[in-house]
Amino acid sequence: DTEVTQTPKHLVMGMTNKKSLKCEQHMGHRAMYWYKQKAKKPPELMFVYSYEKLSINESVPSRFSPECPNSSLLNLHLHALQPEDSALYLCASSQPGQGSGYTFGSGTRLTVV
Amino acid sequence: AQSVTQPDIHITVSEGASLELRCNYSYGATPYLFWYVQSPGQGLQLLLKYFSGDTLVQGIKGFEAEFKRSQSSFNLRKPSVHWSDAAEYFCAVGNNAGNMLTFGGGTRLMVKP
Repeated sequence: DTEVTQTPKHLVMGMTNKKSLKCEQHMGHRAMYWYKQKAKKPPELMFVYSYEKLSINESVPSRFSPECPNSSLLNLHLHALQPEDSALYLCASSQPGQGSGYTFGSGTRLTVV
Repeated sequence: AQSVTQPDIHITVSEGASLELRCNYSYGATPYLFWYVQSPGQGLQLLLKYFSGDTLVQGIKGFEAEFKRSQSSFNLRKPSVHWSDAAEYFCAVGNNAGNMLTFGGGTRLMVKP
């Protein structure tokens, strides 16, 4: 299995809702990432988990809360989002230290209303 | 700090013509370099990567890239473009620890019939 699977593919949520994005990989990668991508912009790094520990948080607002329950799963919990948080959220994985490349999921298209 | 610059925001080529997309990077050590392609609303697909060895790298879909250390460049080329190549192309640099990937601003490729 050489894929990163993200669910849901599309999500519409109100500003008072709580929702979660999910990401799963079975490649044995021990680093997992959340990126945010606005239209016509490059992906921006949000969080990095390395060996299930949060290693990088790029000054992301607390309304985004990551979680790595095990080496195959990565969640992003969303609460009290703003309309400007609408974007494509991409999950990726890699094997630390080997530079073997980063595999991306297809993303979750999030719309905050 | 690592960074990537893609000087061309938009490029238009005729179908069947050759293509070169430019990428310049900044990194203190030998970089891990990648080219990704993204179709509208989709995730990122890895075209090719460079870590070491032969500086001319072959990728999928007929793409190749050449690493030039003296110019800090990693330009993407294709000898004959197909209409299906129209997409956004991102150059990226990874750190040696294999847990940080930084993207350039992207180049949007349009293909004329």
